[in-house]
Amino acid sequence: GEDVEQSLFLSVREGDSSVINCTYTDSSSTYLYWYKQEPGAGLQLLTYIFSNMDMKQDQRLTVLLNKKDKHLSLRIADTQTGDSAIYFCAESKRWGGSQGNLIFGKGTKLSVKP
Amino acid sequence: DVKVTQSSRYLVKRTGEKVFLECVQDMDHENMFWYRQDPGLGLRLIYFSYDVKMKEKGDIPEGYSVSREKKERFSLILESASTNQTSMYLCASRPGTSTDTQYFGPGTRLTVL
Repeated sequence: GEDVEQSLFLSVREGDSSVINCTYTDSSSTYLYWYKQEPGAGLQLLTYIFSNMDMKQDQRLTVLLNKKDKHLSLRIADTQTGDSAIYFCAESKRWGGSQGNLIFGKGTKLSVKP
Repeated sequence: DVKVTQSSRYLVKRTGEKVFLECVQDMDHENMFWYRQDPGLGLRLIYFSYDVKMKEKGDIPEGYSVSREKKERFSLILESASTNQTSMYLCASRPGTSTDTQYFGPGTRLTVL
């Protein structure tokens, strides 16, 4: 199948770390993405990782990729109330030549409690 | 900065009306996309376009059509709106380069009464 799967909800306390998990299906995906959607807004690209990498760090964000298990995670350190949003995992899928589309998970709603 | 704009943030239409949703990007991107987003279903691809006047069906094209007459503009058309087309519509664009990164507009929340 082509499903990208992620849990629908995550609740954490302010200051804790958040870990959002995702499994994908296509081992040939070149890039894997994390997008953030704040209430009433479009999707904002947070970060992406190339499939030959295991880890990518960007300030409070750490992306881990386990290619063998097709598992991607996003860790947010020192989670703040402003991190409350829906987080989408996405894999790229080739449909022809160099063209690629994104297959999105259903999104994980992160709630941060003060 | 990458900028994708959508003509309306909120839109209310009646069943049977013809509805146009407009999307404009200013980055000279080749590829543009229309998605709809519904609770519990995530993002579903309606149509995409990889060049002017070119279009490809996505996963749920029924009840929709698109138009790409100019590179910067991609329109989604609901020929005869129905209540089950009430949704959040998201437009995105992507350059024709090595990554598949898509850049999204703010979305249009369409309500069909």
